[in-house]
Amino acid sequence: EIVLTQSPGTLSLSPGERATLSCRASQTINSHYLTWYQQKPGQAPRLLIYATSSRATGFPARFSGSGSGTDFTLTISRLEPEDFAVYYCQHYGGSTAYTFGQGTKLEIK
Amino acid sequence: QLQLQESGPGLVKPSETLSLTCSVSGGSIRSDYSLWDWIRQPPGKGLEWIGSISSNGITHYNPSFKSRLNISVDTSKNEFSLRLRSATAADTAQYYCARHLRPGVTASIFFENWGQGPLVTVSS
Repeated sequence: EIVLTQSPGTLSLSPGERATLSCRASQTINSHYLTWYQQKPGQAPRLLIYATSSRATGFPARFSGSGSGTDFTLTISRLEPEDFAVYYCQHYGGSTAYTFGQGTKLEIK
Repeated sequence: QLQLQESGPGLVKPSETLSLTCSVSGGSIRSDYSLWDWIRQPPGKGLEWIGSISSNGITHYNPSFKSRLNISVDTSKNEFSLRLRSATAADTAQYYCARHLRPGVTASIFFENWGQGPLVTVSS
């Protein structure tokens, strides 16, 4: 089973700063199957990035994803107040293997 | 636009069965392209995939739940259901229903639609 480890656990930044969130897989994964979600308090997760770097509908260009092999990154170029949330990466590894990272909480400094 | 809505008891006694139903609107559960999922999130913790079902009833379960899990579909009502037997306090969580496109239909696999995820508490 592939394990996804996200870092840092909590990231404290100010609006306007750049955020870099990491997701590391325990073994090499297919980049088509790496996804990012955004979750705000009291809400369901929302699809943000799929296939490592494709942005979902409704998210602005300041959100970008990159990576390959075992190391993947979500970057928010200039933080807006509405971007402070918890971010999860997720991998599809087969019909019974959908795994999530433990999440990174992005909080206002 | 596809919408998913969970329903069921918010409180379950230990050792009893946790049951939830997900009603699908704005689209048909009979879609050959979709798989329908249950995902949970304990309070203050991360996400855990529980299992999925297709419109013709083919299921895939997380091995962690397989011995006490049943997911079923009712295409006449456009809904699918979760039954988790022998519930314990560790099963206290928000339970989300979700949808993803089946492998082979798309090159990427992700959960595109989510319900609101009611909290189910297991307590006497």
